[in-house]
Amino acid sequence: VLTQSPGTLSLSPGERATLSCRASQTVSSSYLTWYQQQPGQAPRLLIYGASKRATGIPDRFSGSGSGTDFTLTISRLEPEDFAVYYCHHYGGPHIRPFGQGTKVEIK
Amino acid sequence: EVQLVESGGGLVKPGGSLRLSCAASGFTFRNYTMNWVRQAPGKGLEWVSSISSSSTYTHFADSVKGRFTISRDNAKNSLYLQMNSLRAEDTAVYYCARAIAVASNSCFQHWGPGTLVTVSS
Repeated sequence: VLTQSPGTLSLSPGERATLSCRASQTVSSSYLTWYQQQPGQAPRLLIYGASKRATGIPDRFSGSGSGTDFTLTISRLEPEDFAVYYCHHYGGPHIRPFGQGTKVEIK
Repeated sequence: EVQLVESGGGLVKPGGSLRLSCAASGFTFRNYTMNWVRQAPGKGLEWVSSISSSSTYTHFADSVKGRFTISRDNAKNSLYLQMNSLRAEDTAVYYCARAIAVASNSCFQHWGPGTLVTVSS
């Protein structure tokens, strides 16, 4: 089980966002992923392997963590960054939980 | 450019069946594991099923096992999800998603726009 916090983060453009994803047991950081989802759109791959940015993802997005605690950081929020973010773990062919999501909203 | 386009969604009664399709282009479809991921209205994401590149391996979430089947036609660059014995809780947008790499299905690099399935009487 992946638990994301906070549920909602209210911030202003230019501020730093720190999103947390906590696993109920130790997971491999190689298989920890973050997605961004804008309203009405499909998710977009942001970070894989806990810290690797996907193709085309700006360097203001960074991922870190290991064991049970992982973090997605957005260094300076741009208007297009206000969205819902999901963490996800691949624990095997049948074990692929997503976190419940963190909404980053404009304060 | 990788493109995935789902179709086949709609309104179906509980207990009914529906077949979703996903048309792929812009990459060598036959080389990649493919997936279905769904999202109930206002809820989070749930992985549903995956199928290996040559259809050798298929996997399902417990919530759909025994009711859904996944298949693909590599000659037509198409992915399918046959959904039987549908329940109200299957109501969701269903996304087709491609694995990040030929040798890894650990996450989903490309997604289609989704197709809405509504199960209601």
